[in-house]
Amino acid sequence: DAEITQSPRHKITETGRQVTLACHQTWNHNNMFWYRQDLGHGLRLIHYSYGVQDTNKGEVSDGYSVSRSNTEDLPLTLESAASSQTSVYFCASSDTSGPSYEQYFGPGTRLTVT
Amino acid sequence: GESVGLHLPTLSVQEGDNSIINCAYSNSASDYFIWYKQESGKGPQFIIDIRSNMDKRQGQRVTVLLNKTVKHLSLQIAATQPGDSAVYFCAENQGGTSYGKLTFGQGTILTVHP
Repeated sequence: DAEITQSPRHKITETGRQVTLACHQTWNHNNMFWYRQDLGHGLRLIHYSYGVQDTNKGEVSDGYSVSRSNTEDLPLTLESAASSQTSVYFCASSDTSGPSYEQYFGPGTRLTVT
Repeated sequence: GESVGLHLPTLSVQEGDNSIINCAYSNSASDYFIWYKQESGKGPQFIIDIRSNMDKRQGQRVTVLLNKTVKHLSLQIAATQPGDSAVYFCAENQGGTSYGKLTFGQGTILTVHP
């Protein structure tokens, strides 16, 4: 069955370190998204991609970067981790065809920056 | 940008009752709306969606109502069960250049008492 996976599921890192969170989907979806989820803020969009070599900034992109070298993967990099980036991160993907904008979500990565 | 919001952050119901979760949106250009359910420690899961050319859509035990006049969206869950306990998010696609993107509300916590 097609799926979307994230790794690691939990990560503790120190302030200033570079961290990369992996996202892999086997839906063959063109669109991929990264969100962070914090209490009181719901899901906020960090970066998104409509296809290979395409990346775009979301509403909370500062301090984060992504790259899309193939259809299946959209890794999220925190260039220099800050305590404010302690959060739960969700990756999602969606299809470009059809009338639905439904996004399929991964299980999330809980990141703690100490 | 404009975002989706919720009237009630928490809702407690008895098993067997019907639940209604409300959502207000402010962007009149939004053309697509979706409800997600998120259980503790998991990613959001699709419940039901509706396009702006409809005012009602039904699924299994769930109904989404859209009132474009007052920019209001609701999710009705019939015969609520303990397994329905979760956080429920509404989200919208704001049309135009927001292709494929969803803007999420803050969520409503639904607790179902046996």
